[in-house]
Amino acid sequence: AQSVTQPDIHITVSEGASLELRCNYSYGATPYLFWYVQSPGQGLQLLLKYFSGDTLVQGIKGFEAEFKRSQSSFNLRKPSVHWSDAAEYFCAVGAGLRFDMRFGAGTRLTVKP
Amino acid sequence: KAGVTQTPRYLIKTRGQQVTLSCSPISGHRSVSWYQQTPGQGLQFLFEYFSETQRNKGNFPGRFSGRQFSNSRSEMNVSTLELGDSALYLCASSQGLAGANYNEQFFGPGTRLTVL
Repeated sequence: AQSVTQPDIHITVSEGASLELRCNYSYGATPYLFWYVQSPGQGLQLLLKYFSGDTLVQGIKGFEAEFKRSQSSFNLRKPSVHWSDAAEYFCAVGAGLRFDMRFGAGTRLTVKP
Repeated sequence: KAGVTQTPRYLIKTRGQQVTLSCSPISGHRSVSWYQQTPGQGLQFLFEYFSETQRNKGNFPGRFSGRQFSNSRSEMNVSTLELGDSALYLCASSQGLAGANYNEQFFGPGTRLTVL
């Protein structure tokens, strides 16, 4: 079965600094890959999704992610973080003929002024 | 267009009771999925309903059940509540079947269930 690992539980960055959140997955084939963001008291919002094509995916709110098959990674990046980006970020994997979405444990992002 | 709404937002129950949570999808969306979010287990898929039929199911015991109505609104029921059922229950809707090419899902704010 597929699995998702987000190695960083909590990351703190300064406003204006760049951001990279790590995600590694385990699956035999190329799965669907997602990044979601969850703000306190709210549900999840899809930032971006990858299945095939260009390995650099552009998402909403200035985020992008790069799929690296050789490293089984799908890291999320943003060149300049804003205070409003403080939230929890989830990487997710979907694969197989039967719908089976697996989420990572999440990375909580704190933004310092 | 209104987003996904879930009621109630907060709920407190005691062990052994049962609970029903409600979800209204975005207008025009026919798929509703349910997820459980806990600090220990994280986010886990419960099941998906499309056109009033359960189409996909996660690995949860039979105490967790759901249904969908003709207007696409969905309810989730948990019987014989256990302490470990305390969680944020998220509902998500999508236009088509979520399991088909992993169509984009739009999440509601969740129902926070506390079991005492």
